[in-house]
Amino acid sequence: KAGVTQTPRYLIKTRGQQVTLSCSPISGHRSVSWYQQTPGQGLQFLFEYFSETQRNKGNFPGRFSGRQFSNSRSEMNVSTLELGDSALYLCASSLAGLAGSYEQYFGPGTRLTVT
Amino acid sequence: GNSVTQMEGPVTLSEEAFLTINCTYTATGYPSLFWYVQYPGEGLQLLLKATKADDKGSNKGFEATYRKETTSFHLEKGSVQVSDSAVYFCALMATSGTYKYIFGTGTRLKVLA
Repeated sequence: KAGVTQTPRYLIKTRGQQVTLSCSPISGHRSVSWYQQTPGQGLQFLFEYFSETQRNKGNFPGRFSGRQFSNSRSEMNVSTLELGDSALYLCASSLAGLAGSYEQYFGPGTRLTVT
Repeated sequence: GNSVTQMEGPVTLSEEAFLTINCTYTATGYPSLFWYVQYPGEGLQLLLKATKADDKGSNKGFEATYRKETTSFHLEKGSVQVSDSAVYFCALMATSGTYKYIFGTGTRLKVLA
């Protein structure tokens, strides 16, 4: 099976712009989670989508949003970019309990740099 | 609420040394426990897991035992290699309620030849 893919892998944006990141989960996985990873804050949970519905949400401002499509692919959007949004954004997919499996499988991430 | 606490890094060891990375957790009920590894420039990879008390997860020479009495899931390896240099994350997932993953802060391991 193909792993989790994320596009683009690298992105450079300017403050004030908005950005959309994409994640394609492993086939059959219904849950997609997004994380922000920075050297200072570590791995921080953004949100999780399950069957097109947001099931969990972290403590991020409303500038961060996401959605999931019927084929389980997910996008996250960050509007009005700030310098502090520079980070590695990781997507993870999961069977969410199907066949007793809860482990998350991560993509390689999108490295976002805001200048 | 649920939480995971890992030992601070970095941990620097010589090749073939014994590795322990401590992880303790706070959770209600019976969470599943995981160790993930992140190599430079990559995403996280699942290293091992345990889903109930006294389970031992193992993979690539790494082991961790789910200890409910001490709420711990320490990662061990008998003989580390330079290629084990990476960041290791302990995580838990409550298998009821929110099904939300909680990650530790990560422990950087550097193995010297």
